[in-house]
Amino acid sequence: GQNIDQPTEMTATEGAIVQINCTYQTSGFNGLFWYQQHAGEAPTFLSYNVLDGLEEKGRFSSFLSRSKGYSYLLLKELQMKDSASYLCAVMDSNYQLIWGAGTKLIIKP
Amino acid sequence: DTAVSQTPKYLVTQMGNDKSIKCEQNLGHDTMYWYKQDSKKFLKIMFSYNNKELIINETVPNRFSPKSPDKAHLNLHINSLELGDSAVYFCASSQDMADLLLDGYTFGSGTRLTVV
Repeated sequence: GQNIDQPTEMTATEGAIVQINCTYQTSGFNGLFWYQQHAGEAPTFLSYNVLDGLEEKGRFSSFLSRSKGYSYLLLKELQMKDSASYLCAVMDSNYQLIWGAGTKLIIKP
Repeated sequence: DTAVSQTPKYLVTQMGNDKSIKCEQNLGHDTMYWYKQDSKKFLKIMFSYNNKELIINETVPNRFSPKSPDKAHLNLHINSLELGDSAVYFCASSQDMADLLLDGYTFGSGTRLTVV
């Protein structure tokens, strides 16, 4: 079966750095997405990785290792507004997105 | 504003009723989707549709049916609602593959359906 695993919840301090991990087992791989979802709102696109390595986008970076079936989202200089759920999703060989349950990130002052 | 908009935002209804959720996108995207997000926060694809093909997730009960009057609209109709249908339903859209890879899917704000 297809599976995406992420920690359920993480807590970090304002101004700090946090890394949210995602491991996956899917039938084929056509890229991995990270989305941010604030409570009661729609998911919004953060990043897409299809090649191994680190993609940096401002305070957010996303890393992929296809051989390990592993990705992480790195958030730097955390702000209170970063409190949200972070969803990992993998596009399988049929170009369908398989979603993880999301990691709820709590930022404390 | 360019967006994916869905209505209503909240829907409370009794078991056995039939209801519809509307979705419209003005982004000029070719493909639209319906997702269900359950209490455990998993997003599960229900349907994807473009002007050529409807792809149905086989696990979706046939009480759920998408209706697309045109490329900009994909409505979700649900017959004989059950308690287990309570969830948040998201509409989304995307352009071609290149656009998807750059910008991902654009989601509507969600419809919280509660069946009592």
